[in-house]
Amino acid sequence: EAGVVQSPRYKIIEKKQPVAFWCNPISGHNTLYWYRQNLGQGPELLIRYENEEAVDDSQLPKDRFSAERLKGVDSTLKIQPAELGDSAVYLCASSRSGETQYFGPGTRLLVL
Amino acid sequence: QQQVKQSPQSLIVQKGGISIINCAYENTAFDYFPWYQQFPGKGPALLIAIRPDVSEKKEGRFTISFNKSAKQFSLHIMDSQPGDSATYFCAADSFGNEKLTFGTGTRLTIIP
Repeated sequence: EAGVVQSPRYKIIEKKQPVAFWCNPISGHNTLYWYRQNLGQGPELLIRYENEEAVDDSQLPKDRFSAERLKGVDSTLKIQPAELGDSAVYLCASSRSGETQYFGPGTRLLVL
Repeated sequence: QQQVKQSPQSLIVQKGGISIINCAYENTAFDYFPWYQQFPGKGPALLIAIRPDVSEKKEGRFTISFNKSAKQFSLHIMDSQPGDSATYFCAADSFGNEKLTFGTGTRLTIIP
């Protein structure tokens, strides 16, 4: 069974530029999560989807961050404009409802 | 507000020794306590998990000890091996919430 796929793996941008991350969850997993992991810290949830619906986006900075999960499968997380403090690893995870979360390898973002 | 406190921040153990990582939580609604293992450049992977109806769970060389009254749980790695060198995160969640709260991580190094 293929795991969670994320791209790109690395991204370097200048501040104020836009950036987007893509996630393909494990087949059959209806729940999708985006986490942000700062250096030396544990992951923090940004948004959780149940199928197409964002059921928890309370930690998503909505002034600059947006996400979508069209057709309830793949998802895209966007930052516009990026700030220096957005440098982090962005992790995508998926699960069947109420079951174990499986994480992708993450996208490492560096904002200069 | 940090709801899950993890210690130590880093740990060096000799090969064959016992590695012990501790976590404490505040939210009494938490009822699911997983441990995740993360290697450099990879996403976290579930190692072992426990629910508060038992005080201990063992899977191979990995054991979780749980103390509900003290609101503490710990990971014990027996016969530690160099391949166990990684960052370990404890986490907590409550039924139906599907929102893992992670500790800050412990970088474990096993030396020959």
